[in-house]
Amino acid sequence: AQKITQTQPGMFVQEKEAVTLDCTYDTSDPSYGLFWYKQPSSGEMIFLIYQGSYDQQNATEGRYSLNFQKARKSANLVISASQLGDSAMYFCAMREGNSGGYNKLIFGAGTRLAVHP
Amino acid sequence: EPEVTQTPSHQVTQMGQEVILRCVPISNHLYFYWYRQILGQKVEFLVSFYNNEISEKSEIFDDQFSVERPDGSNFTLKIRSTKLEDSAMYFCASNREAGQPQHFGDGTRLSIL
Repeated sequence: AQKITQTQPGMFVQEKEAVTLDCTYDTSDPSYGLFWYKQPSSGEMIFLIYQGSYDQQNATEGRYSLNFQKARKSANLVISASQLGDSAMYFCAMREGNSGGYNKLIFGAGTRLAVHP
Repeated sequence: EPEVTQTPSHQVTQMGQEVILRCVPISNHLYFYWYRQILGQKVEFLVSFYNNEISEKSEIFDDQFSVERPDGSNFTLKIRSTKLEDSAMYFCASNREAGQPQHFGDGTRLSIL
């Protein structure tokens, strides 16, 4: 079974609008972390936002927020006020466990976001 | 802001040759990782390294792969006898504490001919 599922291969949004990128995950570990990374066409991986499984509040970082619904096992990324520079591939990733060897990231297939002027 | 540095940015190698990909993690980080991304596919975990030893490796990380931290700053990935299917982008990442966000380098694009 897929550990991380991103069901939207591609999304587009008008500049200045908000967009939600979906991510669902599957784990039986009570302790885990969820991450979103941005990969522009130049190829680098840029960390955006993190949510721990025990965090009480949804994470926010500037225009990025994470809509964490634990019971549904979803961790959707919301980008507010989209900018042309937000056009990129977005990956959701999960870390299971909380220490030692359980530190690898498992990535989803990604969603390609296009921001239109 | 400190960053993970990878060299070279692009490596072209003949099949069967050995290749070494180099990384300088963020200086106060303790955990180091290699991932790869075949063109158009998802990012896949290869290996994690802590306290001078491998802490976890994936099934991709077979005997042709090895990692080393030869000094206090560098972290290398060696592929002994490259195959065509090793062509991919290879990312190095690091973090200070287990579970914290991993910071990625810009990647090395490896092309095997």
